[in-house]
Amino acid sequence: EDQVTQSPEALRLQEGESSSLNCSYTVSGLRGLFWYRQDPGKGPEFLFTLYSAGEEKEKERLKATLTKKESFLHITAPKPEDSATYLCAVRYYGQNFVFGPGTRLSVLP
Amino acid sequence: GAGVSQSPSNKVTEKGKDVELRCDPISGHTALYWYRQRLGQGLEFLIYFQGNSAPDKSGLPSDRFSAERTGESVSTLTIQRTQQEDSAVYLCASSLDPSGAFFGQGTRLTVV
Repeated sequence: EDQVTQSPEALRLQEGESSSLNCSYTVSGLRGLFWYRQDPGKGPEFLFTLYSAGEEKEKERLKATLTKKESFLHITAPKPEDSATYLCAVRYYGQNFVFGPGTRLSVLP
Repeated sequence: GAGVSQSPSNKVTEKGKDVELRCDPISGHTALYWYRQRLGQGLEFLIYFQGNSAPDKSGLPSDRFSAERTGESVSTLTIQRTQQEDSAVYLCASSLDPSGAFFGQGTRLTVV
């Protein structure tokens, strides 16, 4: 069964403490892996799309990487405003987006 | 418009009533998705429209749920005879294949 998992479920960091979030998937025929940020009471906000193993994308303190079976979202020197739930999703040919359960990130000042 | 627009933003309804939720996708986006998110939970896929193809309805939880889309524009999600377990945020997203999907702010549905 096609599946997307994320770890850890929750992560607490001190401001400036870098870390990584993991997204693993078992879908075949991947047509893209997507990272989103979701703040409480809001819809997910699109961050990155990755299409092939080895690809990397960066935005401010965030960097997403992709291998054949997983993706990492690296957060460098996080700030409290980076606190949110980070979702990854995969899309395979002709199908909708399958979302992982998310990682709740808290960055303490 | 600039983004995906959903209305209403909040809806309180009595158990047994029908509700209709509206989604205006980003202009030109051929794909449109509906998801449900219960409090503290992940996104649950409901239905997916892609151009003029038959929609993927595999995520609809029961025959009380239905959705329509007119061409590549507005979509409505209808829930008939609402139940308390239908209480959730209903999220709509649109995309231009194969890019990522852009979400609206959701409709918070409360069934009392």
